[in-house]
Amino acid sequence: NAGVMQNPRHLVRRRGQEARLRCSPMKGHSHVYWYRQLPEEGLKFMVYLQKENIIDESGMPKERFSAEFPKEGPSILRIQQVVRGDSAAYFCASSPPGYRPHYGYTFGSGTRLTVV
Amino acid sequence: DQQVKQNSPSLSVQEGRISILNCDYTNSMFDYFLWYKKYPAEGPTFLISISSIKDKNEDGRFTVFLNKSAKHLSLHIVPSQPGDSAVYFCAARRADGGTSYGKLTFGQGTILTVHP
Repeated sequence: NAGVMQNPRHLVRRRGQEARLRCSPMKGHSHVYWYRQLPEEGLKFMVYLQKENIIDESGMPKERFSAEFPKEGPSILRIQQVVRGDSAAYFCASSPPGYRPHYGYTFGSGTRLTVV
Repeated sequence: DQQVKQNSPSLSVQEGRISILNCDYTNSMFDYFLWYKKYPAEGPTFLISISSIKDKNEDGRFTVFLNKSAKHLSLHIVPSQPGDSAVYFCAARRADGGTSYGKLTFGQGTILTVHP
C-alpha cells in the first residue's frame, strides 16, 4: 500500500524555465492538496483539488502557478517562468472522499525545487 | 497574518521526561486542531487532533490540550524518547462545511531534541 508519491524528489531549474511537480495520491484517495514550505517557515496551503475539479485555490499565487488533477494520472503543480523566490519544498497530501475534519492528511516526501 | 503561531523555535528535553510543545491561534473560527511531526527530507506525519468542543485528547504517549478561551493548545509527550526528535507543527482548520475545510493553516514549527 504505497503512500503519497511525489516526483521528482529534487528539481533544479534556471530562472525563466518551467517546473512540473507530480503527485500520485494514496490508493483510494480522491482529494489532493498542495502545500509549500519556504526556508525557516511552516507549510502554506496552496490548492485543494478533487478529480477534474479545483475546490479551493485561495493559496495559489495569482500568476505563473497552476494545478490540475486529471481523471487519469497524477496531480500536477506547474510553475511557469520560475524565479529564485519559488525555491522551496513543495508537499502534496491526499485524503479519502468524505467529510472528515479530524482527519490528518497523508503527506508525500516533497519535491525540493531550487531555482538557480 | 500569522493565524497559528508556535513561539518557541526549539525545545530540548532529557529522555524519559515530558515534552510540552505550545501553539497559539488567533482565528476563533477554527474548529479542529492537529499536530504533525516532521523529520528532515520527509513529509509531515499526522500525530493527533482535537475538536474545538473538547479540551483534551489522548493517544498513547501523546496528549493534546486545548484552552479555547485563551486560544492556546499544547502537545504533551510522555515519556519523551530520542526518536521523538523532529520538527513539530500545529495546524488548524475550519469545518463549516464549505470548501475551506480542505485548508490547514500551519504554525512555523518547533524543533524538539530529546537527549539520551
